[in-house]
Formats: sequence, structure tokens, C-alpha cells
Amino acid sequence: RKEVEQDPGPFNVPEGATVAFNCTYSNSASQSFFWYRQDCRKEPKLLMSVYSSGNEDGRFTAQLNRASQYISLLIRDSKLSDSATYLCVVNSLGTGGFKTIFGAGTRLFVKA
Amino acid sequence: DVKVTQSSRYLVKRTGEKVFLECVQDMDHENMFWYRQDPGLGLRLIYFSYDVKMKEKGDIPEGYSVSREKKERFSLILESASTNQTSMYLCASSRQDSNQPQHFGDGTRLSIL
Repeated sequence: RKEVEQDPGPFNVPEGATVAFNCTYSNSASQSFFWYRQDCRKEPKLLMSVYSSGNEDGRFTAQLNRASQYISLLIRDSKLSDSATYLCVVNSLGTGGFKTIFGAGTRLFVKA
Repeated sequence: DVKVTQSSRYLVKRTGEKVFLECVQDMDHENMFWYRQDPGLGLRLIYFSYDVKMKEKGDIPEGYSVSREKKERFSLILESASTNQTSMYLCASSRQDSNQPQHFGDGTRLSIL
């Protein structure tokens, strides 16, 4: 089982739609969680951190469920410019020190 | 804003050459990382460093080495480049606190002919 798993998609949605991505992680000692966005042939960019109480940034809402070990990203009112790959990232502390695990990413296409 | 700068956006080298990829960050971050990203394989960690002159192997260190002589600079070295090292190379940095995110450079698209 992968340490961080995401549905690879692609998700094809029309403009204005609401779309949600989930990400599961296997290490219950994971400490911090993030969503990154990566455009084609570009570097990953931090979209938002994910806090235990859930957090919102404009059209984006991130949530963490520690009991079920998953995080989610909700995008409301999708824009064409939201088309990208979304990476789930988990930081964990283990016996060998802290470790960052990147999910393989979920591709989103927003169509006019 | 955090700035992570990689020395080249595109690089073409020949098999057997020694290749240096440079990365500099301006936020006094303790941690620095080198990844490669290939289609269908996601980000794979090559080496990382928690401090000056300190280095740790990642998941795929074979064929690579690194150097961290100064806190702000982390170099990736391909000792003898091979065609299977053609890839996108990404450098990242972060604060020492494990609750902090990593910040990436623009990436270097390296082709080995």
C-alpha cells in the first residue's frame, strides 16, 4: 500500500462546477498536511496547508480527518485556470527523522 | 516570499559527462531537497540535507551525489551522466520544523544524449 494515495483522475468538469479530491495516508503519526498545485511542465506550488479544524481560502476548502486518515480539497465555482494537477503532501515523524511524502497527483481539467 | 533558484531551466549534456545542478534559496532554510519527476512516477527524492555539510540519501540516490558547503546552496552532481537520468529535476527547501511546507525552484529539464 502506498503511504499517500490519490485518485489520479482525470477529473473533467465544466466551469462553475464543484469538485472534490480525496487523499488517504497510511502513517497515523503524520503531523502536517498540504495541497500543492502543479501546472504542466512547471514546479509544484503550495496551494494551502490543511489544519485539523479545516480551513478555507476563497473557493478552496481543505479538511483533515485523522480518524479515517484522509484529507480532502474542495474547489467551488471551478475556473478554467484551475486546470492543473493537485498533489497531496504529508509530513511524518518516524524513527529515521521527519519525512515528506508526495502523492502522485490528481489531474483536473475544467472545460468551458 | 521564499525564493528558490535553480541555475538552469534547460540543460543538454552527453553520456559520461559530469553534470552539476545548482540550487540557491534566500530564506535561511535549514532543509534542502533534490527530486526528480518523470511521467507516471511522480516526485522521487534523490538526496536531502538538514544542515551545512550534512546529507542523507533519499529513495533513488544511485548515480548522484550532493554537496552542501553553505546553508543557502545545495548542489546535485551526476557523476557520469546516463540517458536514464534524463528528467525534470526539482530543488526544494523548508524550515527545520516538520510542520512547514517545502518550496520549490522552477526546475531544470535535463536531457542526456
